[in-house]
Amino acid sequence: NAGVTQTPKFRVLKTGQSMTLLCAQDMNHEYMYWYRQDPGMGLRLIHYSVGEGTTAKGEVPDGYNVSRLKKQNFLLGLESAAPSQTSVYFCASRRTDLYEQYFGPGTRLTVT
Amino acid sequence: SQELEQSPQSLIVQEGKNLTINCTSSKTLYGLYWYKQKYGEGLIFLMMLQKGGEEKSHEKITAKLDEKKQQSSLHITASQPSHAGIYLCGADLARGGAGNMLTFGGGTRLMVKP
Repeated sequence: NAGVTQTPKFRVLKTGQSMTLLCAQDMNHEYMYWYRQDPGMGLRLIHYSVGEGTTAKGEVPDGYNVSRLKKQNFLLGLESAAPSQTSVYFCASRRTDLYEQYFGPGTRLTVT
Repeated sequence: SQELEQSPQSLIVQEGKNLTINCTSSKTLYGLYWYKQKYGEGLIFLMMLQKGGEEKSHEKITAKLDEKKQQSSLHITASQPSHAGIYLCGADLARGGAGNMLTFGGGTRLMVKP
C-alpha cells in the first residue's frame, strides 16, 4: 500500500515550457486535490476532484489544468510555465465519508 | 492565507517544555484541521474539530476549538525532538464546505532542542 505518490519529485522548467505532474493513490479514494505551497502562505488549493471524470476550481486555478480520467490518478498540467509557478506542489486524497486528507510527498518545481 | 492566521510563525523550545500554537480567523471555523509537516515531506493529519468548545487529544498533543469557533489552539506537553516540524491549521470557512475548499494558515515552524 503506497498511499499517495507523486511524479516527478523535482523538475526545472524554462518559462513557456509545459509539463504534467502525476498523482496516484491506491486507497480507492473518491476525492483528490492539488495544492501549492509557498513560503509564508501555507497551502493553497489549485483544483480538486470529487470523483472520476469530475474536476473543480480551487483558490488559485489560473495557469493550471487538471484531469481525472481514472479514479486513482489526478493529473496537473502547466501549459506555459511562468516563474510565478515556482513552488512545491502537493497532491492529496480522501474518502467520501472522512475529512482526513492523505498527502503525497510533494513535487518541487522551479521555473526559470 | 490572511483569512487564517497562525502564531507564532516559528518557535524554538527546550525538550520537555510545553508549548501552544494558535490559529485565528475573523470568520467562523466550520471545520478545523491540524496537520504536521516534516521538513521536505507531505502533511500528516493530526486532528479535526467541528463543535464549539471541542477538545481532542492524541498522545501529548491537545487541540481545542473555542466556543465562538473562531480560534483553535494546539498544545504540546513535554515536547520531544520528534515533535519538530511545521504545524498547519486548515479550515472550512463556508458552512457546508464538506472539507473540500480548505483554507490553510501560514504554518508554525517548531524546533525542539535536546
